[in-house]
Amino acid sequence: DIQMTQSPSSLSASVGDRVTITCQASQDISNYLNWYQQKPGKAPKLLIYDASNLETGVPSRFSGSGSGTDFTFTISSLQPEDIATYYCQQYDNLPPGFGGGTKVEIK
Amino acid sequence: EVQLVESGGGLVQPGRSLRLSCAASGFTFDDYAMHWVRQAPGKGLEWVSGISWNSGSIGYADSVKGRFTISRDNAKNSLYLQMNSLRAEDTALYYCAKGPRGSCYPYYFDYWGQGTLVTVSS
Repeated sequence: DIQMTQSPSSLSASVGDRVTITCQASQDISNYLNWYQQKPGKAPKLLIYDASNLETGVPSRFSGSGSGTDFTFTISSLQPEDIATYYCQQYDNLPPGFGGGTKVEIK
Repeated sequence: EVQLVESGGGLVQPGRSLRLSCAASGFTFDDYAMHWVRQAPGKGLEWVSGISWNSGSIGYADSVKGRFTISRDNAKNSLYLQMNSLRAEDTALYYCAKGPRGSCYPYYFDYWGQGTLVTVSS
């Protein structure tokens, strides 16, 4: 199975800060990488698919980049409603696998 | 509005069975693949199983292969997961999730239900 390593596992930032999360795959997955947001007590929500495509209705402060093994997820200006855990997920190979998650908190 | 509503979870003893259901609405159910994804308490996400629009393609995680069976009834807009020989490590919140296409590929999930909790304990 492809291993997905996210970092950091948690972070604390101020409202308005730029937040960056990285995800590294154990092998080349091209751009078959998605990002999800899971707010406390809620189901995950798809934010970005195929590494950099913003899902319909998702605010433009969220973005993704990367290909191959190294990927980045960015919140350009952190908002209070962005408090959540963020997961990357690959689908290049079965099984589709998730990273361990990054918990984002407000400082 | 897409809605996915899971049911059927509960407390079950190890070795016993449980059947989960997911009622779908707000989209043309038989146009899309569907999946089950689970999340153990306080842990991350794990894909469990997926089924294509016509049940022609089905996949399972190794951790459940041979014990779980996914199925769908397009006439009833419903997805199911039959779980047999349950183990303590199957304890999790089970989410029903919609795929973006009729085939299981690409394996990502654009809508999720709120989940149904399965607890396996004696």
